[in-house]
Amino acid sequence: GAVVSQHPSWVICKSGTSVKIECRSLDFQATTMFWYRQFPKQSLMLMATSNEGSKATYEQGVEKDKFLINHASLTLSTLTVTSAHPEDSSFYICSAMDRDWVKNIQYFGAGTRLSVL
Amino acid sequence: AQSVAQPEDQVNVAEGNPLTVKCTYSVSGNPYLFWYVQYPNRGLQFLLKYITGDNLVKGSYGFEAEFNKSQTSFHLKKPSALVSDSALYFCAVRDIKTSYDKVIFGPGTSLSVIP
Repeated sequence: GAVVSQHPSWVICKSGTSVKIECRSLDFQATTMFWYRQFPKQSLMLMATSNEGSKATYEQGVEKDKFLINHASLTLSTLTVTSAHPEDSSFYICSAMDRDWVKNIQYFGAGTRLSVL
Repeated sequence: AQSVAQPEDQVNVAEGNPLTVKCTYSVSGNPYLFWYVQYPNRGLQFLLKYITGDNLVKGSYGFEAEFNKSQTSFHLKKPSALVSDSALYFCAVRDIKTSYDKVIFGPGTSLSVIP
């Protein structure tokens, strides 16, 4: 099956610093990638939809300047948490959808656990 | 607006017994329906999907799900549960009428298979 690599898997940072998370589709081209946030024992909250070569579409309530998304190529999207604060601590998960929409399957990365001190 | 409900936070089943994880949905058009499984500290893994065709869909690891349009349900089933099936299960729906790329996930159901 298709593989999505997400890096890093775990990051600890100081309050006020920025953290970049990478999401790569390894064996397929993904015109669309998604970024989710998941709180303990809760469902995935869609933060934004990232389309290659264009600006990301953010969900209501998600700060664009806080969570910077770049989708520069068909295999890479990045999420940068800027000026991180303890309340940004969470599990962030990316997913990618195959360019062939007929398949209709999202492939997920393993997630990044962010801890802001 | 599209939505997904998983009425049970927790399902416990003995190993070897059949299991069911429930899901109901609400969309304005025809739904695309999915089941995903999540193991601790991991991303989600795709199990199966319903797009069109037969209402009974077979997926990975012996799981299957039945699409019931009249009841707007898409329950996940397995004839004989394994301890290794213990995980968090998410039902998801995409409303093809309103958005081609947005998938909404249910709240998740934690499945515990007891040896």
